[in-house]
Amino acid sequence: KAGVTQTPRYLIKTRGQQVTLSCSPISGHRSVSWYQQTPGQGLQFLFEYFSETQRNKGNFPGRFSGRQFSNSRSEMNVSTLELGDSALYLCASSGIGTGAEQYFGPGTRLTVT
Amino acid sequence: ELKVEQNPLFLSMQEGKNYTIYCNYSTTSDRLYWYRQDPGKSLESLFVLLSNGAVKQEGRLMASLDTKARLSTLHITAAVHDLSATYFCAVIIQGAQKLVFGQGTRLTINP
Repeated sequence: KAGVTQTPRYLIKTRGQQVTLSCSPISGHRSVSWYQQTPGQGLQFLFEYFSETQRNKGNFPGRFSGRQFSNSRSEMNVSTLELGDSALYLCASSGIGTGAEQYFGPGTRLTVT
Repeated sequence: ELKVEQNPLFLSMQEGKNYTIYCNYSTTSDRLYWYRQDPGKSLESLFVLLSNGAVKQEGRLMASLDTKARLSTLHITAAVHDLSATYFCAVIIQGAQKLVFGQGTRLTINP
């Protein structure tokens, strides 16, 4: 079974631009969660989508948004990029049921200059 | 608000020695996870602990859970260099698919 895939793997953007990251979950998984990892704040939950609906949201500004498509693929978008948005963005997919184990993708390394 | 704290945050040890990483969490949770992360890489799932008294072992790593004390431990036996990595514990928010992570323990094992 193929794992979680994320594209692109690396990205360099300029402050003020916007960016879209993509995540394809494990086949059959309908829940996709996004996390941000930075040296200063560690791993923080962004949001979770299930069946195209946002079910849970973390404490991030509205510049961070996401969506999920009918095939369970998910995208997250960050608008008006700031230097502090530089991070490793991880997505994780899981099966049905809250508490189901989450399997992480390889991540997208975003650098904002 | 659920908080997860690990200690120590940094651990340098010699090959062949034993050590334990501790993970405390502040409120009741359904389950606890341990992950390993190598530099520049993603998170690799090590253990899922579902109930009080749960103990799981894989090779030189053993994890346990005490839900009454809200404490999990990751014990390393006879450490080898290949175990050098950052280890995270994470707790799931009850009723939500949201993981709250500890700060991570950076483990360095020296020959």
